[in-house]
Amino acid sequence: AQTVTQSQPEMSVQEAETVTLSCTYDTSESDYYLFWYKQPPSRQMILVIRQEAYKQQNATENRFSVNFQKAAKSFSLKISDSQLGDAAMYFCAYRSATSGSRLTFGEGTQLTVNP
Amino acid sequence: KAGVTQTPRYLIKTRGQQVTLSCSPISGHRSVSWYQQTPGQGLQFLFEYFSETQRNKGNFPGRFSGRQFSNSRSEMNVSTLELGDSALYLCASRYNGAYEQFFGPGTRLTVL
Repeated sequence: AQTVTQSQPEMSVQEAETVTLSCTYDTSESDYYLFWYKQPPSRQMILVIRQEAYKQQNATENRFSVNFQKAAKSFSLKISDSQLGDAAMYFCAYRSATSGSRLTFGEGTQLTVNP
Repeated sequence: KAGVTQTPRYLIKTRGQQVTLSCSPISGHRSVSWYQQTPGQGLQFLFEYFSETQRNKGNFPGRFSGRQFSNSRSEMNVSTLELGDSALYLCASRYNGAYEQFFGPGTRLTVL
Protein backbone atom coordinates (compact mmCIF):
# COMPACT_ATOMS: atom_id res chain seq x y z
CA ALA A 1 0.00 0.00 0.00
CA GLN A 2 1.10 3.49 -0.71
CA THR A 3 1.81 5.93 2.09
CA VAL A 4 2.36 9.68 2.10
CA THR A 5 4.18 11.47 4.91
CA GLN A 6 4.32 15.16 5.70
CA SER A 7 6.74 15.65 8.56
CA GLN A 8 5.96 19.32 9.21
CA PRO A 9 2.61 19.71 11.01
CA GLU A 10 3.03 23.51 11.05
CA MET A 11 5.09 26.05 9.13
CA SER A 12 5.15 29.81 9.13
CA VAL A 13 6.51 32.35 6.67
CA GLN A 14 6.71 36.11 6.41
CA GLU A 15 4.69 37.75 3.69
CA ALA A 16 6.72 38.02 0.46
CA GLU A 17 9.19 35.37 1.61
CA THR A 18 9.64 31.82 0.32
CA VAL A 19 8.67 28.64 2.12
CA THR A 20 9.11 24.96 1.30
CA LEU A 21 6.77 22.22 2.47
CA SER A 22 8.07 18.66 2.55
CA CYS A 23 6.45 15.44 1.46
CA THR A 24 7.74 11.90 1.09
CA TYR A 25 5.89 8.90 -0.21
CA ASP A 26 6.33 5.19 -0.48
CA THR A 27 5.24 3.11 -3.45
CA SER A 28 6.37 0.17 -5.49
CA GLU A 29 4.68 1.50 -8.60
CA SER A 30 6.45 3.32 -11.41
CA ASP A 31 3.51 5.21 -12.89
CA TYR A 32 1.67 7.60 -10.62
CA TYR A 33 0.73 11.20 -10.01
CA LEU A 34 1.49 13.52 -7.14
CA PHE A 35 -0.53 16.53 -6.07
CA TRP A 36 -0.51 19.38 -3.61
CA TYR A 37 -3.91 20.48 -2.40
CA LYS A 38 -4.73 23.55 -0.34
CA GLN A 39 -7.55 23.60 2.19
CA PRO A 40 -8.35 27.06 3.57
CA PRO A 41 -10.64 27.58 6.58
CA SER A 42 -13.64 27.23 4.28
CA ARG A 43 -12.61 23.53 3.95
CA GLN A 44 -12.84 23.68 0.15
CA MET A 45 -10.01 21.55 -1.27
CA ILE A 46 -8.23 23.32 -4.09
CA LEU A 47 -5.61 21.79 -6.35
CA VAL A 48 -2.39 23.79 -6.25
CA ILE A 49 -0.08 21.79 -8.51
CA ARG A 50 0.41 18.31 -9.92
CA GLN A 51 3.34 16.23 -11.12
CA GLU A 52 3.32 13.17 -13.35
CA ALA A 53 5.92 10.64 -12.26
CA TYR A 54 7.11 9.99 -15.81
CA LYS A 55 8.05 13.66 -16.25
CA GLN A 56 11.52 14.63 -15.12
CA GLN A 57 10.81 18.34 -15.30
CA ASN A 58 9.48 19.85 -12.11
CA ALA A 59 6.01 21.35 -12.34
CA THR A 60 5.50 25.08 -11.90
CA GLU A 61 2.31 27.11 -11.50
CA ASN A 62 2.96 30.82 -11.04
CA ARG A 63 4.40 31.24 -7.52
CA PHE A 64 4.16 27.51 -6.78
CA SER A 65 6.76 24.98 -7.84
CA VAL A 66 7.74 21.49 -6.83
CA ASN A 67 11.00 19.64 -6.35
CA PHE A 68 10.27 16.08 -7.46
CA GLN A 69 12.94 13.56 -6.63
CA LYS A 70 11.63 10.22 -7.89
CA ALA A 71 14.49 8.05 -6.64
CA ALA A 72 14.25 9.59 -3.17
CA LYS A 73 10.44 9.52 -3.30
CA SER A 74 10.32 13.14 -2.31
CA PHE A 75 7.90 15.81 -3.50
CA SER A 76 8.30 19.22 -1.88
CA LEU A 77 6.29 22.36 -2.59
CA LYS A 78 7.93 25.78 -2.79
CA ILE A 79 5.78 28.87 -2.43
CA SER A 80 7.51 32.06 -3.54
CA ASP A 81 6.47 35.60 -2.65
CA SER A 82 4.07 34.27 -0.02
CA GLN A 83 0.77 36.09 0.30
CA LEU A 84 -1.71 36.27 3.17
CA GLY A 85 -4.14 34.28 1.05
CA ASP A 86 -1.72 31.35 0.97
CA ALA A 87 -2.46 30.62 4.62
CA ALA A 88 -4.14 27.22 4.70
CA MET A 89 -3.64 23.54 5.37
CA TYR A 90 -1.62 21.96 2.58
CA PHE A 91 -1.96 18.28 1.71
CA CYS A 92 0.35 16.19 -0.39
CA ALA A 93 -1.48 13.41 -2.24
CA TYR A 94 -0.62 10.35 -4.33
CA ARG A 95 -2.67 8.69 -7.04
CA SER A 96 -1.71 5.51 -8.82
CA ALA A 97 -2.05 5.57 -12.59
CA THR A 98 -3.97 2.29 -12.40
CA SER A 99 -6.35 2.72 -9.46
CA GLY A 100 -8.94 5.13 -10.74
CA SER A 101 -9.42 8.31 -8.74
CA ARG A 102 -8.27 7.08 -5.33
CA LEU A 103 -6.07 9.65 -3.58
CA THR A 104 -3.82 8.85 -0.63
CA PHE A 105 -3.20 11.96 1.45
CA GLY A 106 -0.48 13.00 3.84
CA GLU A 107 -1.27 14.35 7.29
CA GLY A 108 -1.15 17.96 6.17
CA THR A 109 0.96 21.02 6.95
CA GLN A 110 -0.70 24.10 8.44
CA LEU A 111 0.88 27.15 6.84
CA THR A 112 0.68 30.53 8.57
CA VAL A 113 1.64 33.68 6.68
CA ASN A 114 2.71 36.56 8.90
CA PRO A 115 2.23 40.15 7.68
CA LYS B 1 -19.71 25.27 -15.33
CA ALA B 2 -21.14 24.55 -11.89
CA GLY B 3 -18.82 22.94 -9.38
CA VAL B 4 -19.33 19.85 -7.28
CA THR B 5 -22.24 20.28 -4.92
CA GLN B 6 -22.93 18.42 -1.72
CA THR B 7 -26.09 18.34 0.34
CA PRO B 8 -26.75 18.87 3.09
CA ARG B 9 -23.87 21.03 4.24
CA TYR B 10 -24.45 20.32 7.92
CA LEU B 11 -26.12 17.42 9.66
CA ILE B 12 -26.65 16.44 13.26
CA LYS B 13 -27.66 12.88 14.10
CA THR B 14 -27.70 10.67 17.17
CA ARG B 15 -25.99 7.35 17.69
CA GLY B 16 -27.73 4.43 16.03
CA GLN B 17 -29.41 6.51 13.34
CA GLN B 18 -28.56 6.33 9.69
CA VAL B 19 -27.71 9.14 7.30
CA THR B 20 -27.58 9.72 3.56
CA LEU B 21 -25.32 12.31 1.97
CA SER B 22 -25.61 13.45 -1.63
CA CYS B 23 -23.05 14.59 -4.16
CA SER B 24 -23.66 16.06 -7.61
CA PRO B 25 -20.52 16.03 -9.77
CA ILE B 26 -19.51 18.51 -12.40
CA SER B 27 -21.41 17.94 -15.61
CA GLY B 28 -19.68 15.30 -17.73
CA HIS B 29 -17.73 13.81 -14.83
CA ARG B 30 -18.54 10.14 -14.35
CA SER B 31 -16.14 9.39 -11.50
CA VAL B 32 -17.22 10.32 -7.99
CA SER B 33 -15.08 9.63 -4.94
CA TRP B 34 -15.84 10.04 -1.26
CA TYR B 35 -13.44 10.91 1.54
CA GLN B 36 -13.77 11.18 5.30
CA GLN B 37 -11.79 13.89 7.07
CA THR B 38 -11.28 13.80 10.83
CA PRO B 39 -8.69 15.48 13.08
CA GLY B 40 -7.39 12.11 14.25
CA GLN B 41 -7.32 10.06 11.04
CA GLY B 42 -6.90 12.81 8.48
CA LEU B 43 -8.27 12.33 4.99
CA GLN B 44 -9.26 8.78 4.19
CA PHE B 45 -10.67 7.36 0.98
CA LEU B 46 -14.07 5.73 1.33
CA PHE B 47 -14.99 4.60 -2.19
CA GLU B 48 -15.18 5.58 -5.83
CA TYR B 49 -18.00 5.12 -8.27
CA PHE B 50 -17.68 5.24 -12.02
CA SER B 51 -20.59 4.75 -14.40
CA GLU B 52 -22.79 3.43 -11.59
CA THR B 53 -20.24 0.80 -10.50
CA GLN B 54 -18.04 0.83 -7.44
CA ARG B 55 -14.51 0.93 -8.82
CA ASN B 56 -12.52 1.27 -5.60
CA LYS B 57 -13.16 0.80 -1.92
CA GLY B 58 -11.25 1.98 1.12
CA ASN B 59 -10.89 0.27 4.45
CA PHE B 60 -14.17 1.16 6.10
CA PRO B 61 -16.77 -1.11 7.72
CA GLY B 62 -19.84 -2.26 5.84
CA ARG B 63 -21.92 0.40 7.59
CA PHE B 64 -20.56 2.75 4.96
CA SER B 65 -22.09 2.24 1.56
CA GLY B 66 -22.71 4.21 -1.56
CA ARG B 67 -24.28 4.22 -4.95
CA GLN B 68 -24.26 6.19 -8.15
CA PHE B 69 -27.16 7.02 -10.39
CA SER B 70 -27.32 7.17 -14.17
CA ASN B 71 -26.86 10.97 -14.07
CA SER B 72 -23.60 10.40 -12.10
CA ARG B 73 -25.01 11.83 -8.88
CA SER B 74 -23.84 9.79 -5.93
CA GLU B 75 -25.07 9.11 -2.45
CA MET B 76 -23.30 7.64 0.51
CA ASN B 77 -25.10 6.06 3.41
CA VAL B 78 -23.89 5.41 6.92
CA SER B 79 -26.01 3.10 9.04
CA THR B 80 -25.97 2.63 12.81
CA LEU B 81 -24.06 5.83 13.37
CA GLU B 82 -21.27 5.92 15.94
CA LEU B 83 -19.70 8.92 17.65
CA GLY B 84 -16.53 8.30 15.66
CA ASP B 85 -18.40 8.87 12.40
CA SER B 86 -18.45 12.60 13.17
CA ALA B 87 -16.42 14.07 10.35
CA LEU B 88 -16.31 16.22 7.26
CA TYR B 89 -17.32 14.10 4.29
CA LEU B 90 -15.86 15.29 1.01
CA CYS B 91 -16.92 14.29 -2.44
CA ALA B 92 -14.78 14.74 -5.54
CA SER B 93 -15.48 14.26 -9.22
CA ARG B 94 -13.15 13.67 -12.14
CA TYR B 95 -13.50 13.53 -15.88
CA ASN B 96 -12.28 10.16 -17.07
CA GLY B 97 -8.70 10.47 -18.28
CA ALA B 98 -8.14 13.83 -16.61
CA TYR B 99 -5.58 14.38 -13.89
CA GLU B 100 -7.52 16.66 -11.62
CA GLN B 101 -10.28 15.87 -9.19
CA PHE B 102 -12.58 18.67 -8.13
CA PHE B 103 -13.84 18.66 -4.57
CA GLY B 104 -17.16 19.75 -3.19
CA PRO B 105 -17.53 21.92 -0.08
CA GLY B 106 -18.20 18.90 2.13
CA THR B 107 -20.91 17.79 4.51
CA ARG B 108 -20.17 18.26 8.19
CA LEU B 109 -21.72 15.35 10.09
CA THR B 110 -21.99 15.50 13.87
CA VAL B 111 -23.08 12.40 15.75
CA LEU B 112 -24.32 12.98 19.31
